[in-house]
Amino acid sequence: DVKVTQSSRYLVKRTGEKVFLECVQDMDHENMFWYRQDPGLGLRLIYFSYDVKMKEKGDIPEGYSVSREKKERFSLILESASTNQTSMYLCASSLLFNQPQHFGDGTRLSIL
Amino acid sequence: AQSVTQLGSHVSVSEGALVLLRCNYSSSVPPYLFWYVQYPNQGLQLLLKYTTGATLVKGINGFEAEFKKSETSFHLTKPSAHMSDAAEYFCAVRRSGGSNYKLTFGKGTLLTVNP
Repeated sequence: DVKVTQSSRYLVKRTGEKVFLECVQDMDHENMFWYRQDPGLGLRLIYFSYDVKMKEKGDIPEGYSVSREKKERFSLILESASTNQTSMYLCASSLLFNQPQHFGDGTRLSIL
Repeated sequence: AQSVTQLGSHVSVSEGALVLLRCNYSSSVPPYLFWYVQYPNQGLQLLLKYTTGATLVKGINGFEAEFKKSETSFHLTKPSAHMSDAAEYFCAVRRSGGSNYKLTFGKGTLLTVNP
């Protein structure tokens, strides 16, 4: 069965810290995604990767960067965390463009 | 640009009643459409998808959706609601142009099921 694993369910960090969110998929998918989910706003795409070392900005990339050194792993980096980055972060992966995205359980990140 | 509108941020039904969650989309290319469900403190789970072919799509847990091109709609239905259907539901459409792997999501509809 498809499995997308996010390293932490809950995370609390301080303003100004560099924060790493990790995501691993076991399906050999080409495409991986990072979203943030906020009440009333739905899911907004932060970054997208369509191959190892390849990335593309989504709708709200400011304040974030990503890394994809291996096909199965996609990391989201908050360079200098701020309180407005407190949110639920969801990772997803997909094989082809007409195939659904498979989601992890999310990381609820609080920046104090 | 693609967009998705989910009418009603909160829908409440009685157990055993019809569930109808509305989704309208705009797309400049033949759309691929998806419905996802999110239970509390979990990620999103695919309910059903439309890519090509039959316009009435059946999904998991007794849900189905009908693609109506003339109405640009993809409404989700279930004949009889169960308490376990209480969750948030998201409609999504494939984006066109550039990397067409990306989806645009609606803002979600929270479904409450009353006993």
